[in-house]
Amino acid sequence: LAKTTQPISMDSYEGQEVNITCSHNNIATNDYITWYQQFPSQGPRFIIQGYKTKVTNEVASLFIPADRKSSTLSLPRVSLSDTAVYYCLVGEGRDKIIFGKGTRLHILP
Amino acid sequence: DSGVTQTPKHLITATGQRVTLRCSPRSGDLSVYWYQQSLDQGLQFLIQYYNGEERAKGNILERFSAQQFPDLHSELNLSSLELGDSALYFCASVFGADYNEQFFGPGTRLTVL
Repeated sequence: LAKTTQPISMDSYEGQEVNITCSHNNIATNDYITWYQQFPSQGPRFIIQGYKTKVTNEVASLFIPADRKSSTLSLPRVSLSDTAVYYCLVGEGRDKIIFGKGTRLHILP
Repeated sequence: DSGVTQTPKHLITATGQRVTLRCSPRSGDLSVYWYQQSLDQGLQFLIQYYNGEERAKGNILERFSAQQFPDLHSELNLSSLELGDSALYFCASVFGADYNEQFFGPGTRLTVL
């Protein structure tokens, strides 16, 4: 079961691009990488999922290098409403789901 | 709105008591996951059900149990409650058996006094 390591917290300013990196050295061949966002007292919300290279959707991009031992969630032009906790998960399904403590992102005006 | 509903929203009870939390998955979703989130803690995976059967088990205490019914709603039963059980309890649903995009409910906030 791949363990993930993320920074505990990050600060950024409105309008900036924010990159949050997650390390997962023991990622298995079948594992996908998934990111969730959670606001206080709300359930997490799926942001993006990928297996390799780059994935982009309307809210974020996910960059995964060839060795897949890390991944980077990129949030373009953040706003105050992006202040939240961001979780990186690695797994392929039947494993126990480990969210960890995530990265607390604080966007400043 | 994720389409997942949880009841009740808030629950206040005393130590030693037993409570039942209810989760209705999105229409068509067969898997239900239960999580516990204590203050300032990450989400702890408790248990997963798929189409009525237990699929995976996480850090679920023996005092806790769950089940998924034929209509696919799920209940999490917490007994012999302790102060440390105070937390937000989330359920999430997914169409298939394996992990993919999970849709989370709004949670039940349990307070044990």
